[in-house]
Amino acid sequence: SAVISQKPSRDICQRGTSLTIQCQVDSQVTMMFWYRQQPGQSLTLIATANQGSEATYESGFVIDKFPISRPNLTFSTLTVSNMSPEDSSIYLCSVERTDYGYTFGSGTRLTVV
Amino acid sequence: ELKVEQNPLFLSMQEGKNYTIYCNYSTTSDRLYWYRQDPGKSLESLFVLLSNGAVKQEGRLMASLDTKARLSTLHITAAVHDLSATYFCAVRFMDSNYQLIWGAGTKLIIKP
Repeated sequence: SAVISQKPSRDICQRGTSLTIQCQVDSQVTMMFWYRQQPGQSLTLIATANQGSEATYESGFVIDKFPISRPNLTFSTLTVSNMSPEDSSIYLCSVERTDYGYTFGSGTRLTVV
Repeated sequence: ELKVEQNPLFLSMQEGKNYTIYCNYSTTSDRLYWYRQDPGKSLESLFVLLSNGAVKQEGRLMASLDTKARLSTLHITAAVHDLSATYFCAVRFMDSNYQLIWGAGTKLIIKP
């Protein structure tokens, strides 16, 4: 299955600032997915990132708050903008591998203070 | 509405016992996934179930799928402490552009 390198693994940020999370996949993939997982909760899809087009955001998530880049078929970034304590979560990127299911990055644990 | 209901949400059991986690979903799906998550870690893929009657086994874990009942089960046989984790099912729905919906997760604690 695909190997995803995600960084940073964790960060503590001041409110009002922004953090960019990077995911690098070891092979080309069409779609990359960005999730948020709040403590003790399940996964919530933020957006789907396709190379060469704008990301598709799920209800409750907007581009101004969570801008996404997808410059090529192996890389994507998610920025959490103008952070507040409510943004404290684990953020995960994911890709699909047919017959293997979805593979996840190691996650970014974000704490906003 | 696309729904995935997982139960129980919390399970505490003794080593050596058997138990089953259930995953019900609301409408037609073409595949169902089971994942494991250890505290502070990312998600690890356990099983991908593609068709009615599919059964997959890995060690003490066995997953099955009944598409007619819209139900998948994850059965744990003779549980050991190392299986303590949170288990998620996720369903890919055909009717909504193959959207993937996650269950709430089952936190499993296995006591020695």
